[in-house]
Amino acid sequence: RKEVEQDPGPFNVPEGATVAFNCTYSNSASQSFFWYRQDCRKEPKLLMSVYSSGNEDGRFTAQLNRASQYISLLIRDSKLSDSATYLCVVRRDDKIIFGKGTRLHILP
Amino acid sequence: SQTIHQWPATLVQPVGSPLSLECTVEGTSNPNLYWYRQAAGRGLQLLFYSVGIGQISSEVPQNLSASRPQDRQFILSSKKLLLSDSGFYLCAWSVRDRGMGSNQPQHFGDGTRLSIL
Repeated sequence: RKEVEQDPGPFNVPEGATVAFNCTYSNSASQSFFWYRQDCRKEPKLLMSVYSSGNEDGRFTAQLNRASQYISLLIRDSKLSDSATYLCVVRRDDKIIFGKGTRLHILP
Repeated sequence: SQTIHQWPATLVQPVGSPLSLECTVEGTSNPNLYWYRQAAGRGLQLLFYSVGIGQISSEVPQNLSASRPQDRQFILSSKKLLLSDSGFYLCAWSVRDRGMGSNQPQHFGDGTRLSIL
């Protein structure tokens, strides 16, 4: 079983809609969690950290469920510029593992 | 502020040739350093990470090696490249782990696009 798993998509979503991604991780010793965004042929960029109590940054909301070992990302009022691949990232000590990403296409 | 430099941006090499990619970080001390590879249309594969000078952890057996000769320098090498080594190579740094909930993310360089002919 892969350490971090995501639905690869693609998710094709009309502009203005709400979209949610889930990610599961296999190692219960995982300590920190993040969502990154990667545009085509570019390096990944940190979107937001994921805190145990859940956190929000503008249109983006991240949730962590340690008992079920999954992380979620919700994007509200999606924009064309949100089209990208969203990477779920898990940190355990000094080791950082990326999921393969979920591709999102926002349709005009 | 911290910055990470990775070069070259693009590289075309023949099969069997050697490789050396360099990554340096500025503005921080004792960073963790990482090398990833991303094949076309695929996810990021962790190749090596280092928590200090001379300390290298290898994640995937392959014909690549990594070295950390200085605190803020991380080098990816190969003696003989294979066609399968083509990909997008990314260097990243993070603050060293300080235990549960340290929430220290990674920050990436611009990447090196390597094509093997």
